[in-house]
Amino acid sequence: AQSVTQPDIHITVSEGASLELRCNYSYGATPYLFWYVQSPGQGLQLLLKYFSGDTLVQGIKGFEAEFKRSQSSFNLRKPSVHWSDAAEYFCAVGPYSGAGSYQLTFGKGTKLSVIP
Amino acid sequence: DAGVIQSPRHEVTEMGQEVTLRCKPISGHDYLFWYRQTMMRGLELLIYFNNNVPIDDSGMPEDRFSAKMPNASFSTLKIQPSEPRDSAVYFCASSSRGREQYFGPGTRLTVT
Repeated sequence: AQSVTQPDIHITVSEGASLELRCNYSYGATPYLFWYVQSPGQGLQLLLKYFSGDTLVQGIKGFEAEFKRSQSSFNLRKPSVHWSDAAEYFCAVGPYSGAGSYQLTFGKGTKLSVIP
Repeated sequence: DAGVIQSPRHEVTEMGQEVTLRCKPISGHDYLFWYRQTMMRGLELLIYFNNNVPIDDSGMPEDRFSAKMPNASFSTLKIQPSEPRDSAVYFCASSSRGREQYFGPGTRLTVT
């Protein structure tokens, strides 16, 4: 069964500092990978996705993520954090069966706090 | 596009009452998903539909939960009777051809 681990429950960074949120997955083949962000009281917003091809993917709000097959990782990065980035971030993995079946498994989330 | 629309945004009800949550997916999307989010269990997939047909309902916690999708633009999640442990945020999401999912704002359900 597929699984996603986000080892950091809570991270605090200073505004302007760089950020890396970790995500490790377990899946038998190359999965589809996603990062979502959830602000308090809001739904989940898609930040970026990896399906195939270039292992470094760019997303919205200046975020990027790198797929590393050898490490089963898909870490999220941002070179300079803004106070508005404070939110909870979820990594998700989903298979593509080819038959149209498509389910996402989410990590537990990492809460990001930003110090002004 | 208006995105995924959910109603109500907040629902407070008493134990034993029937609760109906509503979702309008993004126009043209052929997959619809219902999730539940709690502090203890995180985000859980309850059920999903493809072209209005339920594909996998293995995440539905009990027979008290039911979901329908009578047409491509509307789905409901019903809890009858509701219990305090059903208190959670319920999200609806939709996708096209089973790729990335777009989430609604959620319904915060409180059962007293």
